[in-house]
Amino acid sequence: GAGVSQSPSNKVTEKGKDVELRCDPISGHTALYWYRQSLGQGLEFLIYFQGNSAPDKSGLPSDRFSAERTGGSVSTLTIQRTQQEDSAVYLCASSQRAASSYNEQFFGPGTRLTVL
Amino acid sequence: AQSVTQPDIHITVSEGASLELRCNYSYGATPYLFWYVLSPGQGLQLLLKYFSGDTLVQGIKGFEAEFKRSQSSFNLRKPSVHWSDAAEYFCAADFQAGTALIFGKGTTLSVSS
Repeated sequence: GAGVSQSPSNKVTEKGKDVELRCDPISGHTALYWYRQSLGQGLEFLIYFQGNSAPDKSGLPSDRFSAERTGGSVSTLTIQRTQQEDSAVYLCASSQRAASSYNEQFFGPGTRLTVL
Repeated sequence: AQSVTQPDIHITVSEGASLELRCNYSYGATPYLFWYVLSPGQGLQLLLKYFSGDTLVQGIKGFEAEFKRSQSSFNLRKPSVHWSDAAEYFCAADFQAGTALIFGKGTTLSVSS
């Protein structure tokens, strides 16, 4: 596609339920990133994929959070047993990974998650 | 620890007035530096970036930013603000060349008429 797409755009869920957020990166981009914007917290890095592997999971806030990427393309961020503090906008970004130059991250429109 | 600081949470500027949004970064080596804007319905858009070389960088929408190594700063400026510039602005740094971006907490810009 022309840009990074994310679905759903909005998700309202009840505390304790599991949710899955999807990211479709720009075609051909091998790197994929998840961030979230929480009220008062700014934008926080969650996890980074290079291909299907995740060399950096340091930003995942708890073991309720997991992410996977299959086929070097689509990624899913799963939050289990959601808590109210998980309410945030979850942003996905992708970039090429050419070794010879820095590659800009392109962001999707985000998924707004509200946990009641 | 690597960090990016935006000291101003909220700024109000009159339309037509000049704007400066502050950003400071920590860490010894100079990271790659970025300014993004988050507008309602627009997602996160890159305004400009600094990798090396000329310390004054030009971006889109009439924005520019100046990198000052001595102050570890990368402040965003615009000579004349338009009402459509009202948005949330984020400064970001990449300290590890192509992995995570470290963002500041953002500055919300309001434009008064």
